[in-house]
Amino acid sequence: SQQGEEDPQALSIQEGENATMNCSYKTSINNLQWYRQNSGRGLVHLILIRSNEREKHSGRLRVTLDTSKKSSSLLITASRAADTASYFCATYNQGGKLIFGQGTELSVKP
Amino acid sequence: EPEVTQTPSHQVTQMGQEVILRCVPISNHLYFYWYRQILGQKVEFLVSFYNNEISEKSEIFDDQFSVERPDGSNFTLKIRSTKLEDSAMYFCATLAGVHTGELFFGEGSRLTVL
Repeated sequence: SQQGEEDPQALSIQEGENATMNCSYKTSINNLQWYRQNSGRGLVHLILIRSNEREKHSGRLRVTLDTSKKSSSLLITASRAADTASYFCATYNQGGKLIFGQGTELSVKP
Repeated sequence: EPEVTQTPSHQVTQMGQEVILRCVPISNHLYFYWYRQILGQKVEFLVSFYNNEISEKSEIFDDQFSVERPDGSNFTLKIRSTKLEDSAMYFCATLAGVHTGELFFGEGSRLTVL
């Protein structure tokens, strides 16, 4: 099945450091998306990168996509305690449903 | 900013009871989804709904589940006879016209089955 799988599963860093999360998927994609989820809350869309793009920036977020390796990475620069959350990558399958990976739980310590 | 609204935020029910979870989608969105997240686990797709019918459903979405858009605004998920394992957060999500774009999620309804 077409699913994103993130690693690491958990990441703990100090405020000010950069956080890098990786995602791998299995089949061809139209785009890949990253979402954030604060504990007990709904998911919030962060960024979408199309299959013909290699890199995309949004504020402190940088996303890369390597379609030859079927992988993506999300970099959060100069992390803050408020960045503490779970981060999920997601891709659409051929049926048009968005499938989420297991997520990376990021903890940023002040 | 437009948002997806879900009610109730938390429901506690006895096993075997029927539950209806409600969602008010963003007004001009065309595609509607329900997802489920068991505590500590990944977000799982349940069902997608477009043009007043189910477009895709997962293996989880068995005969105990149904969805409808009864009045053209609310989008509901019904669980006919709840089981303990139905305890989870249920998220409604909506999508504008491009069927491979970003989803907008509600804050979720936490269902606890006793």
